[in-house]
Amino acid sequence: AQTVTQSQPEMSVQEAETVTLSCTYDTSENNYYLFWYKQPPSRQMILVIRQEAYKQQNATENRFSVNFQKAAKSFSLKISDSQLGDTAMYFCAFMKGVGNQFYFGTGTSLTVIP
Amino acid sequence: EPEVTQTPSHQVTQMGQEVILRCVPISNHLYFYWYRQILGQKVEFLVSFYNNEISEKSEIFDDQFSVERPDGSNFTLKIRSTKLEDSAMYFCASMGQGARNTEAFFGQGTRLTVV
Repeated sequence: AQTVTQSQPEMSVQEAETVTLSCTYDTSENNYYLFWYKQPPSRQMILVIRQEAYKQQNATENRFSVNFQKAAKSFSLKISDSQLGDTAMYFCAFMKGVGNQFYFGTGTSLTVIP
Repeated sequence: EPEVTQTPSHQVTQMGQEVILRCVPISNHLYFYWYRQILGQKVEFLVSFYNNEISEKSEIFDDQFSVERPDGSNFTLKIRSTKLEDSAMYFCASMGQGARNTEAFFGQGTRLTVV
């Protein structure tokens, strides 16, 4: 079975600073997909960034980037130039293949301080 | 932008009653899911649905739960006899097909409160 671990229940960052959220996972699969989802107070889950395991290059989406270390089974999210709107719960998720279920971590609650 | 819509946004029901949570996935998507999130806890997988049948289900998804895609657009989750511990946020999600379509689009959720 796949497991996803987020060891930081809560984090805070000053506006405009950079913060890194940690995620590790356990799997015996070689090809899979990793995601970071954001859940603001409105509760809807919104995709932040995704990474295919077969790609060595780390994914980036504007201010969001990942550090994907396949051998270490680590998938951290870096948020640069943090904005107040980044305040949310962030979930790391694993998917074995297209159409399979997502395995979510327990989440990290991020607060951006003005 | 296409989106997954869920109704109702909030449902209160008495223990032992049946509830049906409704979802309209994105129209050309082929994979459908239900997840739930008990307040303050992680998001848990309930069931996935593909090609008009359940493709995977978790231990949570017991005989009290069922899913249906009755008319090609709606995707429903029925809880036959609700228990207090069924109180949670229920999220529907859908996904397209192919390696390029690995994003699961989530609805805004239905908050179910069992009293």
